[in-house]
Amino acid sequence: EAGVTQFPSHSVIEKGQTVTLRCDPISGHDNLYWYRRVMGKEIKFLLHFVKESKQDESGMPNNRFLAERTGGTYSTLKVQPAELEDSGVYFCASSQEWRGRARGGFGYTFGSGTRLTVV
Amino acid sequence: LAKTTQPISMDSYEGQEVNITCSHNNIATNDYITWYQQFPSQGPRFIIQGYKTKVTNEVASLFIPADRKSSTLSLPRVSLSDTAVYYCLVGDSYNTDKLIFGTGTRLQVFP
Repeated sequence: EAGVTQFPSHSVIEKGQTVTLRCDPISGHDNLYWYRRVMGKEIKFLLHFVKESKQDESGMPNNRFLAERTGGTYSTLKVQPAELEDSGVYFCASSQEWRGRARGGFGYTFGSGTRLTVV
Repeated sequence: LAKTTQPISMDSYEGQEVNITCSHNNIATNDYITWYQQFPSQGPRFIIQGYKTKVTNEVASLFIPADRKSSTLSLPRVSLSDTAVYYCLVGDSYNTDKLIFGTGTRLQVFP
């Protein structure tokens, strides 16, 4: 099966510009997650979709970040306007299982990430 | 999710067995222990998960003592391609969907 696909793989933009990252999860996976690692920090959770609904967006840093998953398939993460501290690697992951269906079900599949550089 | 502690880095040579220990003193009754592997320029990759005693798959083994306050990931006969960062995560997917990553252990395998 195809894995989780993210694009672009790299993006360099100027401060104040807008960037949209895209994630295509594994077909049939209802759960889609966004994570990111900013320079020198640990990988952090941003948000979780179940189909097209935002299940948990507690990790979104501020209102400059907007995630969507129209139709419950691919997802986009828009940063507008981008700031220097937004630079980092943005990962998307998907899974079939969800809480309540399987204890210990942390077998997520991650994409290769989008490296965002804001200059 | 419970906080984990791992060594920052480890070095090994090809063909050796590598054991990476993770401490998770505050692990809860329903928490599972999950290990991810991350190669440069790639996302983390799930490698193994367990609750207690020993779990083995085609990639690694996971040893968990009775008190579950630590776990050891064992990689048999490592090769250069095992050079990566290894993350230990603890949590209960029944109650949360978030993975909390620590700093991980950077394993460097030398020829």
